[in-house]
Amino acid sequence: DAEITQSPRHKITETGRQVTLACHQTWNHNNMFWYRQDLGHGLRLIHYSYGVHDTNKGEVSDGYSVSRSNTEDLPLTLESAASSQTSVYFCASSDRPGQTVWGTGELFFGEGSRLTVL
Amino acid sequence: AQSVTQLGSHVSVSEGALVLLRCNYSSSVPPYLFWYVQYPNQGLQLLLKYTSAATLVKGINGFEAEFKKSETSFHLTKPSAHMSDAAEYFCAVSDPGAQKLVFGQGTRLTINP
Repeated sequence: DAEITQSPRHKITETGRQVTLACHQTWNHNNMFWYRQDLGHGLRLIHYSYGVHDTNKGEVSDGYSVSRSNTEDLPLTLESAASSQTSVYFCASSDRPGQTVWGTGELFFGEGSRLTVL
Repeated sequence: AQSVTQLGSHVSVSEGALVLLRCNYSSSVPPYLFWYVQYPNQGLQLLLKYTSAATLVKGINGFEAEFKKSETSFHLTKPSAHMSDAAEYFCAVSDPGAQKLVFGQGTRLTINP
């Protein structure tokens, strides 16, 4: 079955360290997204990609970067982790609306990666 | 720009009672609308979606939602709450051409025995 997986599921790191969260999907979706979830803020979009070599900033992109070298993967990198980046991170993917009969832009989510920055 | 407002960050109902979670949206074009559910320590999963077909949409686990253009609403309902419905619920809107969803703040549903 097609799926979307995130790793690691839990990580503790120190302020200033570089951290990379992996996201891999086997849906062959064009679109991939990274969100963070915090109490009182719901889901906030960090970065997204509409295809290979395409990346775009979301509403809370400062301190984060992504790269898309293939269809399946969109790793999220925290260049220098800060305590404010302690959060739960979700990766999601979707097909392009209209590309297939059932393609409506529905998002398929990973299980999340809980990051603690000390 | 599109936006979603979920009225009530926390809703509590008794088991067997009606569940009503409110969602209002703002969109300049006919939108696609979604409800997602998140159980503790899990990712979000799709509950139901409206994509310009029938205005009353039925989803999984007995939930349904009605698209009301005149009220710009897409409220989620379930006739009889079950303990297993306790979760966080998110409403989301997309511009069919934008390929990107905008989420509401979420509503935490608690079921009292």
